[in-house]
Amino acid sequence: GQNIDQPTEMTATEGAIVQINCTYQTSGFNGLFWYQQHAGEAPTFLSYNVLDGLEEKGRFSSFLSRSKGYSYLLLKELQMKDSASYLCAVRDSNYQLIWGAGTKLIIKP
Amino acid sequence: GAVVSQHPSRVICKSGTSVKIECRSLDFQATTMFWYRQFPKQSLMLMATSNEGSKATYEQGVEKDKFLINHASLTLSTLTVTSAHPEDSSFYICSAFSGDTEAFFGQGTRLTVV
Repeated sequence: GQNIDQPTEMTATEGAIVQINCTYQTSGFNGLFWYQQHAGEAPTFLSYNVLDGLEEKGRFSSFLSRSKGYSYLLLKELQMKDSASYLCAVRDSNYQLIWGAGTKLIIKP
Repeated sequence: GAVVSQHPSRVICKSGTSVKIECRSLDFQATTMFWYRQFPKQSLMLMATSNEGSKATYEQGVEKDKFLINHASLTLSTLTVTSAHPEDSSFYICSAFSGDTEAFFGQGTRLTVV
């Protein structure tokens, strides 16, 4: 079956760095996405990886290793507004998005 | 960037009535749109894939006669929840890909059936 695993919850301190991991097992691979979702709101796009390596976008970076079925989202210089759920999603061979359950990130002062 | 607009953002309806939710791609054409449902503290659950000019593809366990999807144009898809019941209360979200690498989401619709 298809499976996306990410931690349920993480806690970090304002100003610090946090890494959210995602492992996946899917039927085919056509890219991995990270989304941010604040409570009661729709997800917003953060990053897209289709090749191995690191994609950097401001304070956020995303890494992919296709051979390991692994990705991480790195958030630097954490701000209180970064408190949200972070969703990992993989697009499979049918071009459908398979979603992880999301990681709730709690930022403490 | 590309924008997907979803309306209404909140709706309260009585049991047995129908509710229509609209999803529009404002500055790009979307031959395919996706409808999701999300329960509190859970991830997105794909309900169906809406294809312009053809029938929607429903995920297993989703009643196509209850959740009617119409994708009449390249910029508009609608989801109608028919004969709504309290268990249909949920957060419904649509999305569409602009190009190949970025999916944009509508604002979501919070449906409450009383």
